Amino acid sequence: GAVVSQHPSRVICKSGTSVKIECRSLDFQATTMFWYRQFPKKSLMLMATSNEGSKATYEQGVEKDKFLINHASLTLSTLTVTSAHPEDSSFYICSARVVGLRTDTQYFGPGTRLTVL
Amino acid sequence: AQKVTQAQTEISVVEKEDVTLDCVYETRDTTYYLFWYKQPPSGELVFLIRRNSFDEQNEISGRYSWNFQKSTSSFNFTITASQVVDSAVYFCALSDRSNDMRFGAGTRLTVKP
Repeated sequence: GAVVSQHPSRVICKSGTSVKIECRSLDFQATTMFWYRQFPKKSLMLMATSNEGSKATYEQGVEKDKFLINHASLTLSTLTVTSAHPEDSSFYICSARVVGLRTDTQYFGPGTRLTVL
Repeated sequence: AQKVTQAQTEISVVEKEDVTLDCVYETRDTTYYLFWYKQPPSGELVFLIRRNSFDEQNEISGRYSWNFQKSTSSFNFTITASQVVDSAVYFCALSDRSNDMRFGAGTRLTVKP
């Protein structure tokens, strides 16, 4: 099946720093990637939809200036958490959308656990 | 607007018991997709099943089975003869014409030996 990777898998940073998370589709091209955030013992919440070559579409309540998304190629989308604060500590998961003749589904990355001290 | 409800927050069973996880959804679209994912403690989502709105056939895969009923907007998941390794959080999700995926709150299943 399709494989999506995320890097890093775990990151600890100091408050005020910026952190970049990469999401790659390893064996397919994805024009659309999604970024989710999951707080402990909570569900996945869609943050934004990332389209290759265009600006990301953010969900209501998600600050686009804080969570910068870049989808520069068909296999890579990045999420940068700028000026991170402890409340940004969360599990960030990306997914890549695959559309075919008979399929339209998303493949999820393994997630990135961000801890802001 | 799409919405997914998993009313069971936590379920605890003893090994070998059967357990059903409920999922009720809302959408205005006639074409949509329903999913179930398993999230073990490692955090990585494990895809279990995808069902489109035009296929109401129930599905069985080993100890797993799914009951899709459009009349009640439900897509329930049953694990037969549960095992300790089935312990995880299970998410039901819906994707409709908007193409983004909305997840239910999840059900934490604990299978005790």
